[in-house]
Amino acid sequence: DTAVSQTPKYLVTQMGNDKSIKCEQNLGHDTMYWYKQDSKKFLKIMFSYNNKELIINETVPNRFSPKSPDKAHLNLHINSLELGDSAVYFCASSPGLAGVNEQFFGPGTRLTVL
Amino acid sequence: AQTVTQSQPEMSVQEAETVTLSCTYDTSESNYYLFWYKQPPSRQMILVIRQEAYKQQNATENRFSVNFQKAAKSFSLKISDSQLGDTAMYFCAFYSQGGSEKLVFGKGTKLTVNP
Repeated sequence: DTAVSQTPKYLVTQMGNDKSIKCEQNLGHDTMYWYKQDSKKFLKIMFSYNNKELIINETVPNRFSPKSPDKAHLNLHINSLELGDSAVYFCASSPGLAGVNEQFFGPGTRLTVL
Repeated sequence: AQTVTQSQPEMSVQEAETVTLSCTYDTSESNYYLFWYKQPPSRQMILVIRQEAYKQQNATENRFSVNFQKAAKSFSLKISDSQLGDTAMYFCAFYSQGGSEKLVFGKGTKLTVNP
């Protein structure tokens, strides 16, 4: 009965590879997010979707592409992985507008690029 | 742009004592929301407490309370009767509907509760 789930939890890959991280929420929320947490624990939003529509697209490289096939899923695809992409990526969801409501976070995916 | 500053990278407290974590923010908006999130070693981000700027009364949740000073743009978190399970990173966060429509986080304070 996990509220926000992410797969995989750990991902180790070589530079130049393409990888995807999947996120699913079973809370019936309208809004989903991707955050990146760097090695210094700084947490920064990357994307936000509301009812499958992109509403926030921060300054991230084009190699990062979110996909929302339905309201309950928001996947993150990363092309041509670089060393600097190593981080923990968090998916989150909230009912309605970001910030007005509590955001529920997934367990995070630790991505290591070698 | 809104910014959130947590000036204490690390803090420690003895079990059962009280500790206060600082947070200041910068905004020109009048209506906004402030949050404290906790991230224990398990990595799971959990909401601790939430405050609406239009409410003068400070939010409380059991052992957690805030001191919200709107004029000073300060939002500190007080943890009473600290427990070992409170050991975590604590993030202050800001949201404004009239702003960038996103949750802006501070850099976090690592709190260690010592037995």
